[in-house]
Amino acid sequence: GESVGLHLPTLSVQEGDNSIINCAYSNSASDYFIWYKQESGKGPQFIIDIRSNMDKRQGQRVTVLLNKTVKHLSLQIAATQPGDSAVYFCAESLNQAGTALIFGKGTTLSVSS
Amino acid sequence: GAVVSQHPSWVICKSGTSVKIECRSLDFQATTMFWYRQFPKQSLMLMATSNEGSKATYEQGVEKDKFLINHASLTLSTLTVTSAHPEDSSFYICSASGTVDNEQFFGPGTRLTVL
Repeated sequence: GESVGLHLPTLSVQEGDNSIINCAYSNSASDYFIWYKQESGKGPQFIIDIRSNMDKRQGQRVTVLLNKTVKHLSLQIAATQPGDSAVYFCAESLNQAGTALIFGKGTTLSVSS
Repeated sequence: GAVVSQHPSWVICKSGTSVKIECRSLDFQATTMFWYRQFPKQSLMLMATSNEGSKATYEQGVEKDKFLINHASLTLSTLTVTSAHPEDSSFYICSASGTVDNEQFFGPGTRLTVL
C-alpha cells in the first residue's frame, strides 16, 4: 500500500493486491468529483463519481472516499488486475450546467503479474 | 452510453499551417462542449468551453485567435489550430455534455504533431 493522503505520481502493485490512489482537490466549493482512467493514447474513461453530500461510494471493485475537511479524494481498487494499469486522474466540478472539470495530477498505476 | 468521436485521431502538419479537429456527439445533443489539451505525462488542461450557438469562453493564457472554436450545431464542435508551431504539438481531447445530469463524455483524443 501507500501513504494515505499523499499523492504519488506512480504506484506499482502486484496482481491481486489492493491499490489506493490519492488526490487533493483545490476548490472547497466543488460539489462533484470523478475518477477517470486513461490508457496510453486514449481519452479519459469514467470510473466512478461522488457528490459532496457523500463521503463514500462503491462500485464494482472500486471505492471512492471523499474527505471534504482536508479536500482529499481517494480511489481504492480491489484485487488489482494487469488491465487496471493506466494513468488515473481525479477531477472536480462545481456541478453546474456547462461547468468544466478541473483535473488533478495523475497517478500511473503499474500492475505486475 | 453516450458516445463522442473525434476526427482525425492523429495528424502531422508542417509549421505555419492550420489544422481542424472535429468533435461529434453521436447519440445525444451536446449543449456544451469542452476542449482540453494534454502534454506528455501531464494532466488535462481546459482550453475553452463552448455552448451551441455562442462564442467560446477561453481559459486564461489560451489565445482565442490561435485556437478557433466553432460550435455551430448540437452535435459538432471544431477546434482549428491556426498557424501551428511545434510547441502546439499535443494531445487534444474534447468532451460533451447535454444529458439530464450534465455528465461529460470524452472523445478519444487527437494527437497533433507539428513539424
